[in-house]
Amino acid sequence: ETGVTQSPTHLIKTRGQQVTLRCSSQSGHNTVSWYQQALGQGPQFIFQYYREEENGRGNFPPRFSGLQFPNYSSELNVNALELDDSALYLCASSPGSPSMNTEAFFGQGTRLTVV
Amino acid sequence: QKEVEQDPGPLSVPEGAIVSLNCTYSNSAFQYFMWYRQYSRKGPELLMYTYSSGNKEDGRFTAQVDKSSKYISLFIRDSQPSDSATYLCATYSGTYKYIFGTGTRLKVLA
Repeated sequence: ETGVTQSPTHLIKTRGQQVTLRCSSQSGHNTVSWYQQALGQGPQFIFQYYREEENGRGNFPPRFSGLQFPNYSSELNVNALELDDSALYLCASSPGSPSMNTEAFFGQGTRLTVV
Repeated sequence: QKEVEQDPGPLSVPEGAIVSLNCTYSNSAFQYFMWYRQYSRKGPELLMYTYSSGNKEDGRFTAQVDKSSKYISLFIRDSQPSDSATYLCATYSGTYKYIFGTGTRLKVLA
């Protein structure tokens, strides 16, 4: 059983640019969530996807958007990058529907640096 | 008030000590509680997943939930240098959102 994989592992972008981060969920997991973790902080929920639709969203502006594909993989897109977007971006997958309250398993993250 | 509060540490203990890590939460409706371990520059790894009150044990780890005081704990017995990491507590809000504490940095000294 493969775990959650994210790409790329590191990324440096310039303020104002756009970035796409990718996530392959664990085998059999159809719910994917994205989190932002700033240095020294706990992960903050960005949004969740289930069956290719956004199922919930945290307190992040619309320039943070996402997609989920039929194979349950997912993308996080961030437009108009700001310096404060520098963080570790984590993808988590869960088996079953969100209402099943199951565990979330995280990938290794993508470390984004905005300069 | 944050929904989940956790002392950031760092907490330093000698090898072999019993470690106690704690969090408090504000919403009595929370029922699911998790502990994750995160090594430097890595993703969080799920250690324990508990529902409602009580204890759950897995090897050297014991998770404890006291809903009456909104207090969750993780105990590590016979701590090892390899346990040195940041420990994150989390709870489950509604149907989609995990809420994390800030994490406690633990150092186990050989």
